[in-house]
Amino acid sequence: SQTIHQWPATLVQPVGSPLSLECTVEGTSNPNLYWYRQAAGRGLQLLFYSVGIGQISSEVPQNLSASRPQDRQFILSSKKLLLSDSGFYLCAWSGAAGAQPQHFGDGTRLSIL
Amino acid sequence: GENVEQHPSTLSVQEGDSAVIKCTYSDSASNYFPWYKQELGKRPQLIIDIRSNVGEKKDQRIAVTLNKTAKHFSLHITETQPEDSAVYFCAASTGTGGFKTIFGAGTRLFVKA
Repeated sequence: SQTIHQWPATLVQPVGSPLSLECTVEGTSNPNLYWYRQAAGRGLQLLFYSVGIGQISSEVPQNLSASRPQDRQFILSSKKLLLSDSGFYLCAWSGAAGAQPQHFGDGTRLSIL
Repeated sequence: GENVEQHPSTLSVQEGDSAVIKCTYSDSASNYFPWYKQELGKRPQLIIDIRSNVGEKKDQRIAVTLNKTAKHFSLHITETQPEDSAVYFCAASTGTGGFKTIFGAGTRLFVKA
């Protein structure tokens, strides 16, 4: 069966520090991968999605970036965090063929001080 | 682009009553409609989905209906229990690999014991 791992679960960072969140998927090949941000009590904001290695599409301009160095690895990064980057970050995967659900990781709660 | 509107934003029901959450979508090409449940601090989890060739689908106390002509779909929860309390998200997808999945803003359901 397929599983998705996301870490760390919680992160507290100072303003201006760098960020790296990692997500890996097991049990499937060539998944579509996604990064979402969820502000407290709000909906899901799609940040990036990827349909293959090295292929990244950005949905919202910001100081974040994403990379997919391997088929089942998706990384969210920032060189300098802003206060507004605080939130709950969710990685998700879906199959690449046809209409398929997205399956979410456990999320990373990021607090910027 | 695609837009998904979800109502109500908050819903409070008495234990044992039914709860109905409604969503409308704008892209007539949408053909896949998943529903997610997100408990506080947890990841969204798929609870039921429906495809455009089906008008209704039921899984125990949960059912989803789809009206393609009117472009709306609904989630019905019968015999609600306190553990049904969560945020529910609807979504609509045009079916190509899942990355064109648009989420509604969410409905916070409170089930009072």
